[in-house]
Amino acid sequence: AQSVSQHNHHVILSEAASLELGCNYSYGGTVNLFWYVQYPGQHLQLLLKYFSGDPLVKGIKGFEAEFIKSKFSFNLRKPSVQWSDTAEYFCAVSIAGGFKTIFGAGTRLFVKA
Amino acid sequence: EAGVVQSPRYKIIEKKQPVAFWCNPISGHNTLYWYLQNLGQGPELLIRYENEEAVDDSQLPKDRFSAERLKGVDSTLKIQPAELGDSAVYLCASSFRPLYEQYFGPGTRLTVT
Repeated sequence: AQSVSQHNHHVILSEAASLELGCNYSYGGTVNLFWYVQYPGQHLQLLLKYFSGDPLVKGIKGFEAEFIKSKFSFNLRKPSVQWSDTAEYFCAVSIAGGFKTIFGAGTRLFVKA
Repeated sequence: EAGVVQSPRYKIIEKKQPVAFWCNPISGHNTLYWYLQNLGQGPELLIRYENEEAVDDSQLPKDRFSAERLKGVDSTLKIQPAELGDSAVYLCASSFRPLYEQYFGPGTRLTVT
């Protein structure tokens, strides 16, 4: 069965530290890839997406993600986090065969001021 | 642009009672999703609509859950009767097309006592 794995459930960083959140999926066909973010008290919202083309995609608030097809990975990165990045981050994979979207379990990030 | 609207935001009911959730998607979005989100987990699809047709309801517990999207716009998700294990957040999302980015509502937090 298709699945999405996020490696870390909880991450604690100090401001200005670099961030990398891992995401791996299990599906060999065509996929669209997403990172969503949920700030405290807010809706889930799109952070960035990959459909095709340059595997390095940039999103809002200085986030970027790299699609590595051979590793079935779509890791999220930010060179310098801020306190306002405290949120829960979800990786999601939309599978062309069946039009399913599968979400990872999420990573809760806490940034210390 | 108005976002996805859900109501109610919170609902507390006793087990065996019925409950209904309502969702109005973003105008022009043909695809509507209902998700279940348990604490510490990512959203799990219950049902996906393309216009008024339920095209993926494989994860919907049909003995107690039902959904409708009669005119291809707003949608209602019902549970009857509710069980203790149904306590969760019920999310509605919409997208222009399947596989595209999804826009989420605020969710309904259901507590079954």
